[in-house]
Amino acid sequence: NAGVTQTPKFQVLKTGQSMTLQCAQDMNHNSMYWYRQDPGMGLRLIYYSASEGTTDKGEVPNGYNVSRLNKREFSLRLESAAPSQTSVYFCASGADTEAFFGQGTRLTVV
Amino acid sequence: DQQVKQNSPSLSVQEGRISILNCDYTNSMFDYFLWYKKYPAEGPTFLISISSIKDKNEDGRFTVFLNKSAKHLSLHIVPSQPGDSAVYFCAASAGGTYKYIFGTGTRLKVLA
Repeated sequence: NAGVTQTPKFQVLKTGQSMTLQCAQDMNHNSMYWYRQDPGMGLRLIYYSASEGTTDKGEVPNGYNVSRLNKREFSLRLESAAPSQTSVYFCASGADTEAFFGQGTRLTVV
Repeated sequence: DQQVKQNSPSLSVQEGRISILNCDYTNSMFDYFLWYKKYPAEGPTFLISISSIKDKNEDGRFTVFLNKSAKHLSLHIVPSQPGDSAVYFCAASAGGTYKYIFGTGTRLKVLA
């Protein structure tokens, strides 16, 4: 029972490089989320998808794009990475009453 | 502007005593609230939730209280155990959107 799976677990990027963080869930949830966690800032919502084919901006969407290609997968893309995007990224999927989180991706932009 | 606030970054409690973690919110449209627990290098895990139609919800050692007029909720852990040492986040959503907005977290340390 995998739940929410994120890849990769760790990544180092150079400023200006691009990359896509992958997320997949096997719980048949409609909602999926991307959060970032920074010291003293808690978990901040980047993007949210209420259902397949729909996406909505969260609190800190600038510098990111997302794709909800199907019900299972929700990817987060950094087109031109900046040091300010150094963070731990969490993907989550939601039932009506709670969200289930993946293990996180630790991203460092140098 | 932070819509969900946890003003205490850290809390230390003796084993066996009560831990009280607080959370304030500013958006009056929030109608569903959750608490999550997070260990280092792991994703947050769901602990307990409460709907705005209730003022209390209990699950074992964990109780969440909601004061809508004060826009305040609290999580009580009784009795506290060393394994409860973690970062606790409160979260809120509005109008059935399940678009969860989280607070900044409180690090709880339970001393043996």
